[in-house]
Amino acid sequence: EAGVTQSPRYAVLQEGQAVSFWCDPISGHDTLYWYQQPRDQGPQLLVYFRDEAVIDNSQLPSDRFSAVRPKGTNSTLKIQSAKQGDTATYLCASRDWGGGAETLYFGSGTRLTVL
Amino acid sequence: AQKVTQTQTSISVMEKTTVTMDCVYETQDSSYFLFWYKQTASGEIVFLIRQDSYKKENATVGHYSLNFQKPKSSIGLIITATQIEDSAVYFCAMREGRQGGRALIFGTGTTVSVSP
Repeated sequence: EAGVTQSPRYAVLQEGQAVSFWCDPISGHDTLYWYQQPRDQGPQLLVYFRDEAVIDNSQLPSDRFSAVRPKGTNSTLKIQSAKQGDTATYLCASRDWGGGAETLYFGSGTRLTVL
Repeated sequence: AQKVTQTQTSISVMEKTTVTMDCVYETQDSSYFLFWYKQTASGEIVFLIRQDSYKKENATVGHYSLNFQKPKSSIGLIITATQIEDSAVYFCAMREGRQGGRALIFGTGTTVSVSP
């Protein structure tokens, strides 16, 4: 079974540039999460979906960040105008909410550096 | 509000010995799930072991086991017979059981270094 797939693996930007991250969850997983992990810290939730619906985006900086999951499968996280403080690893995770599974499975992450 | 705290920043041990890591949590829910994840040097995050709040027995998987002390809101991870490959950052995480839909909240992690 394929795991959670993320791309790109790395991104380097200047402040003010835009960037998108893409995630393909495990097949059959209806719930998808985006986490931000600054260096030497634990993952911090940005947003999560069940199918195509946003369940919680309260931690997503809405002025510059957006996330979609239009068909309830793949998802895209976008930063409109990146700041140096956005430097972090962006992690996607998925689980099978409908099946009652509790464990999250993580992708390899996208390591973002904003200069 | 839920919170997970790992106070140990780093631990160094010799190979084949036992290492114990602490984690305390805060929640208002009577039902919750506790997890330990491992992050390797490559950045990969791997699920290790889980404890459901309603279970009294400590979970055990391979050479990982948990010390669940519910009255103290504590969930320690024990790794026995450590190997070099156990060197990693270990994260404690919690998910409240309310309505089945909450996200995982992570602690700040404990870095374990295993020496030969």
